[in-house]
Amino acid sequence: DIQMTQSPSSLSASVGDRVTITCRASQGINNYLAWFQQKPGKAPKSLIYAASNLQSGVPSKFSGSGSGTDFTLTISSLQPEDFATYYCQQYKSYPLTFGGGTKVEIK
Amino acid sequence: QVQLVQSGAEVKKPGASVKVSCKASGYTFTSYGITWVRQAPGQGLEWMGWISAYNGNTNYAQKLQGRVTMTTDTSTSTAYMELRSLRSDDTAVYYCVRDEYYDSSAYPRLWGQGTLVTVSS
Repeated sequence: DIQMTQSPSSLSASVGDRVTITCRASQGINNYLAWFQQKPGKAPKSLIYAASNLQSGVPSKFSGSGSGTDFTLTISSLQPEDFATYYCQQYKSYPLTFGGGTKVEIK
Repeated sequence: QVQLVQSGAEVKKPGASVKVSCKASGYTFTSYGITWVRQAPGQGLEWMGWISAYNGNTNYAQKLQGRVTMTTDTSTSTAYMELRSLRSDDTAVYYCVRDEYYDSSAYPRLWGQGTLVTVSS
C-alpha cells in the first residue's frame, strides 16, 4: 500500500497568512493526488485533483503543486472560512489512501 | 443538480450488520463509480472500497475483506454498503463518494452527506 504522510498535523495561523501543507507519498504516484477540505460535522469537499487542478468553484487562493512523491497545498491568504482540516489522497493505485490530515486553526 | 443522498443514522449491537444506502440523482448513474469512505469519531478518513456502477466490479480494503459488500441497484440509482459482524471500532460516519474522471484515471469527487453508524451494546 502507498502511505501518505502529511505535515504538519496541525498549525495555527492568522487571517491573511500564507499557509503551506505538505503531503509525501511512500512511492511515486505521478500526479494522481487530490486535496480535500473538511469542516467540523460536514462531509469533505474536493479542492484539487491531479495535484494542481482546481475544482470548479474553488477560489484561486488555493493552489496545489508537486509530482512523484512530494506535494503541497497552499492557501495564499487565509480567511476565516478556510479554518478546517485538509486531507491529501492518492488515487494512483488501490487501496486509495489518505494522509492523516492537517488541522488549520486560528492563531 | 448532481447529488448523493444517504440513509439515516443507525445504532447497532456488536455482531449485527448494517446496510447504508446512497441514492444518486442528477447524472447517469452507470457512468461513474462509487467509493465508500469512513471516518471514526475524531479520526481521519479511511478508504473502504469502490464499486463500478456500470458492471458491479468491486475493490475492497483488505482489512474489511469478508465483512463488507458493496452493491448497486441501477433501477433506482442507488448504491449500498453492507458491513457485517460489527464491532465497536466500526463506529464511524460512512460516506459514499462519486468518482470523477481525468487523464484516464478516477478520483473521488462528490460526497454524500454521511451516515453515522454507532455500534454499542
